Amino acid sequence: DQQVKQNSPSLSVQEGRISILNCDYTNSMFDYFLWYKKYPAEGPTFLISISSIKDKNEDGRFTVFLNKSAKHLSLHIVPSQPGDSAVYFCAASATPPGTYKYIFGTGTRLKVLA
Amino acid sequence: DTEVTQTPKHLVMGMTNKKSLKCEQHMGHRAMYWYKQKAKKPPELMFVYSYEKLSINESVPSRFSPECPNSSLLNLHLHALQPEDSALYLCASSHHGWGGGVLEQGRSNTEAFFGQGTRLTVV
Repeated sequence: DQQVKQNSPSLSVQEGRISILNCDYTNSMFDYFLWYKKYPAEGPTFLISISSIKDKNEDGRFTVFLNKSAKHLSLHIVPSQPGDSAVYFCAASATPPGTYKYIFGTGTRLKVLA
Repeated sequence: DTEVTQTPKHLVMGMTNKKSLKCEQHMGHRAMYWYKQKAKKPPELMFVYSYEKLSINESVPSRFSPECPNSSLLNLHLHALQPEDSALYLCASSHHGWGGGVLEQGRSNTEAFFGQGTRLTVV
């Protein structure tokens, strides 16, 4: 049962335009969301996160939007650059009285065309 | 310093071998994780250590044995693996963990930082 889903396995965007990557989740207990960028045979690199008490978080070219009622989040990259080409994973965690664990989505391969 | 260091980077082992993967961080994080990633799949959680205690085992076969000797080190001992265990093994760490039943307050900086992974091939 995939609790975190990224329905677009791939996305191509022209350099300078906006990239929008989407993520849906099913577990209403998730209250913290993260986006990671990953190159082949390397570990994921943290990009940006958002807590469920917010609906938007910005860091430079990256903005994450959270719609709790729709259980949906998105990552906007603007302007997109060729170096942004990678696989992007969203991840979610919950806060039971205990340890956090991070559940990853299925990933979206972004290709930014020069 | 936001670095998680994993060794070795690549490992080829036979099905009768015993080997260990190592992970180290010096960020003062008290939660450490092992993930497994197969090609074109998301990272899958295997184990979580919190304050050097195993807090989550995601029903991982006993041929994988984790160990957390201290707050900076995490090992994964491998024995009698199968070819289907070939994958990228990722270690991660984060600030938060479970300390004696008390929920930690504050949720800033709860992102997990990942190492570069160990590419394991079982032959």
